[in-house]
Formats: sequence, structure tokens, C-alpha cells
Amino acid sequence: DMKVTQMPRYLIKRMGENVLLECGQDMSHETMYWYRQDPGLGLQLIYISYDVDSNSEGDIPKGYRVSRKKREHFSLILDSAKTNQTSVYFCASSLGDAEQFFGPGTRLTVL
Amino acid sequence: QQKVQQSPESLIVPEGGMASLNCTFSDRNSQYFWWYRQHSGEGPKALMSIFSNGDKKEGRFTAHLNKASLYVSLHIKDSQPSDSALYFCAVTSSSFSKLVFGQGTSLSVVP
Repeated sequence: DMKVTQMPRYLIKRMGENVLLECGQDMSHETMYWYRQDPGLGLQLIYISYDVDSNSEGDIPKGYRVSRKKREHFSLILDSAKTNQTSVYFCASSLGDAEQFFGPGTRLTVL
Repeated sequence: QQKVQQSPESLIVPEGGMASLNCTFSDRNSQYFWWYRQHSGEGPKALMSIFSNGDKKEGRFTAHLNKASLYVSLHIKDSQPSDSALYFCAVTSSSFSKLVFGQGTSLSVVP
């Protein structure tokens, strides 16, 4: 079953707290992505991972870091979350430059 | 840096009608062009891709690409209420794995 999963689906944090968003895929895709989606801005790429421990900044990496220790798992970390990081976060995976498969998203609210 | 712009921002079409979505991009070296669809509360899902100038038809959906004019479009024939969603145009940047998304067109198909 080709699937991208994200946990948690909803999260409320206070400003300054640390946040961990987790993503898994069962397709053995080497490339994984983290995006954020805000109304009117489309999907903005935060980080891209080409394989285990091979990560590259996307277009808006400031305030975020990532970890990929297993091919099927990709984490997004917000150290000391800010209110402007309130957003919906999507993880995706792909086989090279083929179709990207997206997870269901995590809605993060930072108060 | 690649810029992708979509129009219109929102579109209402009657059931059975034709929906036309437009997208312009800025990088003449762009290679791959995708249309993604996102239903409310879900992650985006790839609808179709087009790589060569001209038309590509898949069922009720036709994509058109004109690289010289920096333009790609999506036409949905015989629109159904289930087509109501947010539609994204996505274009590869200099790195083929990196997609740049437009801001989206919200399509509503009314009975």
C-alpha cells in the first residue's frame, strides 16, 4: 500500500516550545520533502532530503531543521517555535524527479 | 529564481461545464510541469504531468504547454462536483527534484 503518513495530525504549542513533526513512507523512495502551506502562498519547500543524512535547504529553511536517519522516515524540528510558524505542514516523497506523494498534513498552531 | 503564477485565484463553473486554469512560469529552462489537486482536508495529489509542447489528454483533463510563451494550462471538460478542489501548477527548478508551486486556483463546481 503506497502511503505517506504524518504524525501528529494536529498540534498546539506555545511560543518557545520545541516541535517535532514526523513523516513515514512505505515506498522506499529516496527523496523526501517538507513543505508548509499558507493561504494564498501555495506550497513552500522547507527542506529536501535525497537520502539518509543527505539533506538540503529548500526555499524557506530558516527556523527549521530536519533529520533523516532511515530512508523511510523524515523528521522536521522547530527549535523554539514562533507564532509565524503556525501553518499546515506537508511531507512528501518521490522516486527521483517523478511524481511526489504527499501525506495528509499536520496542522500546527503556535500560541 | 523560478516564479510560478496561477490565474484565476478562484473559479466557479456549472456542473457539466468546462474549467480552464492558467499558469505562467519564469525560467525558460524549466523541464517538467505538473498539475496537483488538493481536496479539502487532504494532501495534494498529482493529477497529470506534461513535458513536451502541445496538448496531453487524460480522460476529462487536458494539459497544454507552450514553453516559448512560458505558459501551461489545464482544462477540465464535463466538470463534476467532485472536481471541486484547490489546483496547483508545479514546475521544476534547476534541480529536477525541486518543484516550485503556484499559489493555487480554487475550483468550485456547482450543480
